[in-house]
Amino acid sequence: DSGVTQTPKHLITATGQRVTLRCSPRSGDLSVYWYQQSLDQGLQFLIQYYNGEERAKGNILERFSAQQFPDLHSELNLSSLELGDSALYFCASSVGLGVMSGANVLTFGAGSRLTVL
Amino acid sequence: LAKTTQPISMDSYEGQEVNITCSHNNIATNDYITWYQQFPSQGPRFIIQGYKTKVTNEVASLFIPADRKSSTLSLPRVSLSDTAVYYCLVGAINEAAGNKLTFGGGTRVLVKP
Repeated sequence: DSGVTQTPKHLITATGQRVTLRCSPRSGDLSVYWYQQSLDQGLQFLIQYYNGEERAKGNILERFSAQQFPDLHSELNLSSLELGDSALYFCASSVGLGVMSGANVLTFGAGSRLTVL
Repeated sequence: LAKTTQPISMDSYEGQEVNITCSHNNIATNDYITWYQQFPSQGPRFIIQGYKTKVTNEVASLFIPADRKSSTLSLPRVSLSDTAVYYCLVGAINEAAGNKLTFGGGTRVLVKP
């Protein structure tokens, strides 16, 4: 158990639908990152939050959005789902900015597998 | 964030040492080098991190030459369970811009009996 909790583990839905993926970071971590990994593909960075604020954005589609709440858990919302959105979605957390400058060790959750039919 | 280049795949045999080299020619002064391991359908797991020279832990060693333009992850005496994808990341936390921590394609290591 890495300490990063993601729910649900598996999700099957239909095209056009909307889903929400949830992530609870490791205790003490202030930064949350979301990644998408399609079949046999690398990890695509989507977005980062630090202590409730968006800090970095990657290749996140406009149909996707995320937020980090005061208790530091984060949600990734995926809407108007398409077949190509089927993937593993990982959440990771780190202690955060300004701590051990340069250190960027991420702790990943087990992922949420999304299947769009 | 510094761009990294790694071999796409490597084959090895049980008991051998595996060395994976990552090139990062435009590494910045504040950048650290971090390696992660990922098994199928699991999240990546931190292996080792370094800034310069050599770092060793119970899992691996990381060799970084003086110019820091490359680094080599060394896995001693691999077993079948070391079959995984290994990612090299180079970057630093930037308070102003956040930290995108983009993973490259990784190196797929296959350990054979």
